[in-house]
Amino acid sequence: IVMTQTPLSSPVTLGQPASISCRSSQSLVHSDGNTYLSWLQQRPGQPPRLLIYKISNRSPGVPDRFSGSGAGTDFTLKISRVEAEDVGLYYCMQGIQFPWTFGQGTKVEIK
Amino acid sequence: EVQLLESGGGLIQPGGSLRLSCTASAFTFSTYAMGWVRQAPGKALEWVSTISDSGVSTHYADSVKGRFTISRDNPKNTLYLQMDSLRADDTAVYYCAKVRWSDRDFDFWGQGTLVTVSS
Repeated sequence: IVMTQTPLSSPVTLGQPASISCRSSQSLVHSDGNTYLSWLQQRPGQPPRLLIYKISNRSPGVPDRFSGSGAGTDFTLKISRVEAEDVGLYYCMQGIQFPWTFGQGTKVEIK
Repeated sequence: EVQLLESGGGLIQPGGSLRLSCTASAFTFSTYAMGWVRQAPGKALEWVSTISDSGVSTHYADSVKGRFTISRDNPKNTLYLQMDSLRADDTAVYYCAKVRWSDRDFDFWGQGTLVTVSS
């Protein structure tokens, strides 16, 4: 399954919203009814960190300015008001079937 | 707090072998699937391999199938990745990650270990 993210780069003004799109080459709806799409954040020089799982569930400790939405093959990660600590790369990932695959990554930077 | 500590990376010549280790703590290692994900310099994340909690079931990316072997020692809380016939395009930071099978995701990641394949 190919995961395609847009844009690949997102310059944002502090306090403004940011949005990242992720499209899968086939549906991520499992026969069990769940959709296995997650979002990860990778700050500069750091390992990835799970932000969102199963489309819209925030991991513990993730600020509520992060939200996930979507269905089927089209998904979105939104940051309601970008803060300096949000700078980094964001990846979507599908876990419905092996090989698990990631998007190319979207770089969020401050204008 | 969950901790995953990778070791074993380094500089290796093409065709050589290397074994990575990942020591886990602060969770019941034997009840979770585990995986390896790599990231070549300046590139995106790439899933490498996943192993079930018991070690019976394994999966590999096509790019490493037949060359890499994932295994685990549950009493030692340790995950391994045996890498043989290494190539220049295996150069990457290798991350160990805890799998949350119910959600099909990686909920905790180690800091990573760098593998450089070069003559």
